[in-house]
Amino acid sequence: DVVMTQSPLSLPVTLGQPASISCRSTQGLVHRDGNTYLTWLHQRPGHSPRRLIYKISNRDSGVPDRFSGSGSGTDFTLKISRVEAEDVGVYYCMQGTHWPWTFGQGTKVEIK
Amino acid sequence: QVQLVQSGAEVKEPGASVKVSCKASGYSFSGQFMHWVRHVPGQGLEWMGRITLDNGDTKYAQKFQGRVTMTRAPSITTVYMDLSDLRSDDTAIYYCTRDNYYSIDYWGQGTLVTVSS
Repeated sequence: DVVMTQSPLSLPVTLGQPASISCRSTQGLVHRDGNTYLTWLHQRPGHSPRRLIYKISNRDSGVPDRFSGSGSGTDFTLKISRVEAEDVGVYYCMQGTHWPWTFGQGTKVEIK
Repeated sequence: QVQLVQSGAEVKEPGASVKVSCKASGYSFSGQFMHWVRHVPGQGLEWMGRITLDNGDTKYAQKFQGRVTMTRAPSITTVYMDLSDLRSDDTAIYYCTRDNYYSIDYWGQGTLVTVSS
């Protein structure tokens, strides 16, 4: 199985400051169709996860543009340009290129 | 809008089975897949398997092979996940999720399954 490793696992941030989360996979995530199926999810306390970004860098409808995704191959990053209070929670990366689909361990973002 | 509404919390004894339902609305079942993902307390998210809504074909994670069964009832746009021979480490929140081109875009509200004697 493809192992997804996130860092850091805990990220205290100051409101208005940037934040960055890394996600690395043990295998390349380029699908035979040429796409890279790397997704970022956000889960607020007491809620179901919500998708933020798919195929590395495509933001879902309604996702603020302070969120951006980048990367290629086995190395991916989620960036928040200016953290707001509603951004707290756990962020997960997920790969849908290889079976079984797998998730990172999660990165908990909290306000300092 | 897309909604996935799951059945309520369950408490089961070890060795029992549980069946969780997920009612979908706001989109067409045709050509779609549904995945089940669980979240074990203190651990991360775990993909369990997928069902093709047109024909019922399934693909399960090896870890759950032989214990999980995913089915669907297209007439009522509902999918089901049956997990048998429950153990204490199956205590988790179980989510149905909608497939969106090798990704997951919508999640149900989750169903807490507690396995305890």
